[in-house]
Amino acid sequence: EVQLVESGGGLVQPGGSLRLSCTASGFTFSNYWMHWVRQAPGKGLVWVSRIKIDGSYTTYADSVKGRFTISRDNAKNTLFLQMNSLRAEDTAIYYCASGDSGYTYYWGQGTLVTVSS
Amino acid sequence: EIVLTQSPGTLSLSPGERVTLSCRASQSITNSYLAWYQQKPGQAPRLVIYAASSRATGIPDRFSGSGSGTDFTLTVSRLEPEDFAVYYCQQYGSSVLTFGGGTKVEIK
Repeated sequence: EVQLVESGGGLVQPGGSLRLSCTASGFTFSNYWMHWVRQAPGKGLVWVSRIKIDGSYTTYADSVKGRFTISRDNAKNTLFLQMNSLRAEDTAIYYCASGDSGYTYYWGQGTLVTVSS
Repeated sequence: EIVLTQSPGTLSLSPGERVTLSCRASQSITNSYLAWYQQKPGQAPRLVIYAASSRATGIPDRFSGSGSGTDFTLTVSRLEPEDFAVYYCQQYGSSVLTFGGGTKVEIK
């Protein structure tokens, strides 16, 4: 069974940092692109970032570029999102998802990040 | 970045009805790289359609997608109770991916 389990969310003050992790199982992690997508409470989906199969290529939404860094460890079947200079508007459920370079077909259940003083 | 506008925001329909959802892009989407997702309350999204018209694995054939350029549609030929949800379009034709704001299909 395919599983993606996010962790690392929580409450952080504005300007702070947080590192999210996503552990994959049930499929060959190193064969898939990985994405982060977020959703503010009661709002729509917002794509955040993606990383190529071997980690050699990454892209970001304009709203997080320069503040967030996506990375992966294929040996440990784990995806990461390092989030710096956090703002209130970064408050959301963060989902990791696997799939193609553009679309995704496996999703985790998400981890909540709350940015507040 | 490419902005996707979905309309209408909410649709109130009955089971058995046909529904067509619209997704309009601010610029042409390369190679019709457009996907549709379904999301139910408290759940992660589920891929329905990719490449504008290809059904994802396990998606029933009452779902169909069409379109090219800047205008795309998702059609559900006969709504089943489990189809009531929020639907999002997403483009992946540019290096920065974007989602539309979503259309909620609710039971009338």
